[in-house]
Amino acid sequence: QVQLMESGGGVVQPGRSLRLSCAASGFTFSRFGMHWVRQAPGKGLEWVAVISYDGNNKYYADSVKGRFTISRDNSKNTLYLQMNSLRTEDTAVFYCAKDTSPYDISGHYGFGDYWGQGTLVTVSS
Amino acid sequence: SSELTQDPAVSVALGQTVRITCQGDSLRNYYASWYQQKPGQAPVLVIYGKNNRPSGIPDRFSGSSSGNTASLTITGAQAEDEADYYCNSRDRSGNHVFATGTKVTVL
Repeated sequence: QVQLMESGGGVVQPGRSLRLSCAASGFTFSRFGMHWVRQAPGKGLEWVAVISYDGNNKYYADSVKGRFTISRDNSKNTLYLQMNSLRTEDTAVFYCAKDTSPYDISGHYGFGDYWGQGTLVTVSS
Repeated sequence: SSELTQDPAVSVALGQTVRITCQGDSLRNYYASWYQQKPGQAPVLVIYGKNNRPSGIPDRFSGSSSGNTASLTITGAQAEDEADYYCNSRDRSGNHVFATGTKVTVL
């Protein structure tokens, strides 16, 4: 069965860095684009970033552009999110989610048929 | 970047029909996806593409779109459908965006 498992969350001071991982299993990871989505405490969902199945295309929300980097290692079935220059407003549960359709560059088919359980990132001094 | 808007809250009597709408310019070119989220849980995808339901999603959930508006309809709402619902779509720049969500209360 499809499983996505995030790790790497924790408490970090403003301005510091953190790297999240998302270990995937139960599907052919290298065929699917992957997303990061976050949710601040008591707030709605915020899309963070997407990476294409082959890693060649990456897009970011304006709120994280230039600070966060999405990447993947298809040989390890793992998605990453490198977060630099963290701010208090980055405090959130971070989820990884997969595209619904393989090799989808268009974005027409949406994402999120499977999600991880989330990992909490707290940015605080 | 693009924006999507939803009504903050709607209520529906048990067994009745409720429609949740999502508006935004990106919806003229891209389908909306719809997610259900209950407190303390990860989101669940309920509709994607033109009107597709992932396996396990009841057929009382359906989606439609016209112009800059996408809609999620729950026909015969059940108590377990009480949740927050979010729409999401891609925009021309390649980014995705979520609307602020609609809290659905089943009376």
